[in-house]
Amino acid sequence: EVQLLESGGGLVQPGGSLRLSCAASAFTFSSYAMSWVRQAPGKGLEWVSTVSVSGGGTYYADSVKGRFTISRDNSKNTLYLHMSSLRAEDTAVYYCATIWGFNSWGQGTLVTVSS
Amino acid sequence: DIQMTQSPSTLSASVGDRVTITCRASQSISTWLAWYQQKPGKAPKLLIYKASSLESGVPSRFSGSGSGTEFTLTISSLQPDDFATYYCQQYNSYYATFGQGTKVEIK
Repeated sequence: EVQLLESGGGLVQPGGSLRLSCAASAFTFSSYAMSWVRQAPGKGLEWVSTVSVSGGGTYYADSVKGRFTISRDNSKNTLYLHMSSLRAEDTAVYYCATIWGFNSWGQGTLVTVSS
Repeated sequence: DIQMTQSPSTLSASVGDRVTITCRASQSISTWLAWYQQKPGKAPKLLIYKASSLESGVPSRFSGSGSGTEFTLTISSLQPDDFATYYCQQYNSYYATFGQGTKVEIK
């Protein structure tokens, strides 16, 4: 069964940094573009970023461009999201997902930005 | 980026009602559109992909239609388990934007 397991969430102060990981299993991770999607408390889904199959192409929402970096390690079947200069409005559950080819989502990890 | 406008934002309906949700793209996305159902505290669940293809295991009362910029999700006969929030998402490009969501409430 396909699994996406996020980790790395937690409480961080405004201006701080955090790295999220997403461990993938039971599919050929290196063949699929991967994305991060977030959902602030009580709000809708917001696409955050996508990385291409090779990792050479990265795409960001305007709200995180210049502060977040998506990457992947195909040898470890792992997706990453490095977040810096965090703001209160970045507080959300962060999901990793594959959307192109087939559709699968992790259970999410909560990031809280607060002093 | 492609903007997705979903309507209505809230919908009150009764069990057995036919329900339609609309999603409009700011530019043509062909049929690169997905519909999701989300319940509180859960990850989104895919219902429809490529605008009209029913995901395996999803009840046939769910259907999708449209192409280009106008899309609809229809629930033919609303069931108690269907009260949830629904989102459209375009994946015509790697900037895979969502609609604002439609909450389907009990009337």
